Amino acid sequence: AQSVTQLGSHVSVSEGALVLLRCNYSSSVPPYLFWYVQYPNQGLQLLLKYTTGATLVKGINGFEAEFKKSETSFHLTKPSAHMSDAAEYFCAVTEPNSGYSTLTFGKGTMLLVSP
Amino acid sequence: DAGVIQSPRHEVTEMGQEVTLRCKPISGHDYLFWYRQTMMRGLELLIYFNNNVPIDDSGMPEDRFSAKMPNASFSTLKIQPSEPRDSAVYFCASSLLWDGQGVKRGTGELFFGEGSRLTVL
Repeated sequence: AQSVTQLGSHVSVSEGALVLLRCNYSSSVPPYLFWYVQYPNQGLQLLLKYTTGATLVKGINGFEAEFKKSETSFHLTKPSAHMSDAAEYFCAVTEPNSGYSTLTFGKGTMLLVSP
Repeated sequence: DAGVIQSPRHEVTEMGQEVTLRCKPISGHDYLFWYRQTMMRGLELLIYFNNNVPIDDSGMPEDRFSAKMPNASFSTLKIQPSEPRDSAVYFCASSLLWDGQGVKRGTGELFFGEGSRLTVL
């Protein structure tokens, strides 16, 4: 069965610092992986996704993530944090066993950015 | 193209009242999902439909909750009677996996609505 673990319910960084949000997954087969962002009082929106091919994927707002099969990880990074990046971030996984029809979400990581 | 549309955005009601939340998925999408989000439990999948047919409702908390999808462009989530512990943000999401010819068109990516914030007093 697929599962997702996000390390750290809260991550604090200073503006301009590196952002690193960790995500590890459990899947018996190669999965598709997603990162979503949720701003206050809004729905979740897709940041980026990995399906096949290049393991380093780039998303919106300068974020990127790297799929590392050997480490079962899909960590999200951004070289320089901006105040507007403060939000909650969710990692999610889906796999062929479910026909890619359902996503399993992590519990989310709240990113706090200080001036 | 319009995204997933939910209504109402906010609902305040009293315990025991019936609540109906509505969702219009993105046109052409073949999957529709209802989620609930609370501080305590995070994001929970309640039920999902494929081509208007309910596939898995194991996340529905109890018989007070029901969901329908009478056609491809509309779904409802109903709570009757409502209780204070039902207070949460309810999200509808849709996705496209297969087209009408059975060709895989999507990757399971979900498109979320803005949510309906329910407060039961």
